[in-house]
Amino acid sequence: DVKVTQSSRYLVKRTGEKVFLECVQDMDHENMFWYRQDPGLGLRLIYFSYDVKMKEKGDIPEGYSVSREKKERFSLILESASTNQTSMYLCASSLSLAGVREQFFGPGTRLTVL
Amino acid sequence: AQTVTQSQPEMSVQEAETVTLSCTYDTSESNYYLFWYKQPPSRQMILVIRQEAYKQQNATENRFSVNFQKAAKSFSLKISDSQLGDTAMYFCAFMKNQAGTALIFGKGTTLSVSS
Repeated sequence: DVKVTQSSRYLVKRTGEKVFLECVQDMDHENMFWYRQDPGLGLRLIYFSYDVKMKEKGDIPEGYSVSREKKERFSLILESASTNQTSMYLCASSLSLAGVREQFFGPGTRLTVL
Repeated sequence: AQTVTQSQPEMSVQEAETVTLSCTYDTSESNYYLFWYKQPPSRQMILVIRQEAYKQQNATENRFSVNFQKAAKSFSLKISDSQLGDTAMYFCAFMKNQAGTALIFGKGTTLSVSS
């Protein structure tokens, strides 16, 4: 069974803290993604990675960075957390094979920055 | 740039009835995929149904079916025989048929099914 896991379901941090959100997939997928979900805005892409050590900015990369040192793990880093980064963060992964385009999602991390 | 629009922020339906969720998209691409994802309250996002743009036949998955109108750039989701477990937020999403590309989501429609 396909599985994407995220390190925490709920997280509370202070303004200015460095925050790490971890995502792991066990499906040998090439592509991994970080989205941010806010009410009324849907899901917006922060960063994605199509291979180890490769990354591409999404629509809202400001204030975030990512790391992908191993194929199965994709980390989202908030260098200095701010209150406007309070949100639900969703990780997803997918294969790169032609014709296979489904993304599989993790359970999400609800981050609150105080 | 591609955009996805879901014009119905909220909908409600009675159990056993049929409901249709609307989605329109804008793209200049000819080869792409369209998806409907479901996010139940406090639960994981899961794929409901997908449609390849090159296929004229509308996709179906049990009680879920789509009406794909490529020329009109419309991709609606029909849920037949609605069940309480269908209560969720539904997202329409677009993806180019190209390796290493991300989904572009609509803002979602919250569907409530009542008994």
